[in-house]
Amino acid sequence: RKEVEQDPGPFNVPEGATVAFNCTYSNSASQSFFWYRQDCRKEPKLLMSVYSSGNEDGRFTAQLNRASQYISLLIRDSKLSDSATYLCVVNIGDSNYQLIWGAGTKLIIKP
Amino acid sequence: DTGVSQDPRHKITKRGQNVTFRCDPISEHNRLYWYRQTLGQGPEFLTYFQNEAQLEKSRLLSDRFSAERPKGSFSTLEIQRTEQGDSAMYLCASSLADWLAVQYFGAGTRLSVL
Repeated sequence: RKEVEQDPGPFNVPEGATVAFNCTYSNSASQSFFWYRQDCRKEPKLLMSVYSSGNEDGRFTAQLNRASQYISLLIRDSKLSDSATYLCVVNIGDSNYQLIWGAGTKLIIKP
Repeated sequence: DTGVSQDPRHKITKRGQNVTFRCDPISEHNRLYWYRQTLGQGPEFLTYFQNEAQLEKSRLLSDRFSAERPKGSFSTLEIQRTEQGDSAMYLCASSLADWLAVQYFGAGTRLSVL
């Protein structure tokens, strides 16, 4: 089993729709969780950190489920500019610097 | 521009040659990371510095790969005797030393080994 797994997609979603992705992780001791966004041939950029209680930033909501070892990202009222690859990132156990990255979920928003 | 900068942006080399990439982190960040990313995959952690100390290098891909950060500021990643399988995007990131420190990435160096 991979340390961090994501559905590669692509998810083809009409503009204005709501879309959600999950990401599963294997290390139950992981403490830090992030969603990054990566546009084609660009560097990853932080979208949001994921907190135990869940957190929201505008149209984006992140949730953590420790029991089932997954994190989720929900995007409401999707925009064309949301088209990108979304990378799930998890730290390794008690290491706060060494992050394991999922392969990403590709999202395509269609007009 | 006060972000992470990497140089060069693109490097084309012949198999067997040595290449060196440079990364200048955000000035107040004391942590610096190197990653490799191939098409369709997420970044793969290679090594990490806190100031000038290289605290983790077990994930460097082979002994042909080495990294330095001599003065705790910029860092270099060297690949000796390049192979075609080394072709990838090499990303540098930096962060503060906080527990939940966010890593900020440079634009990367794209290496093509012919």
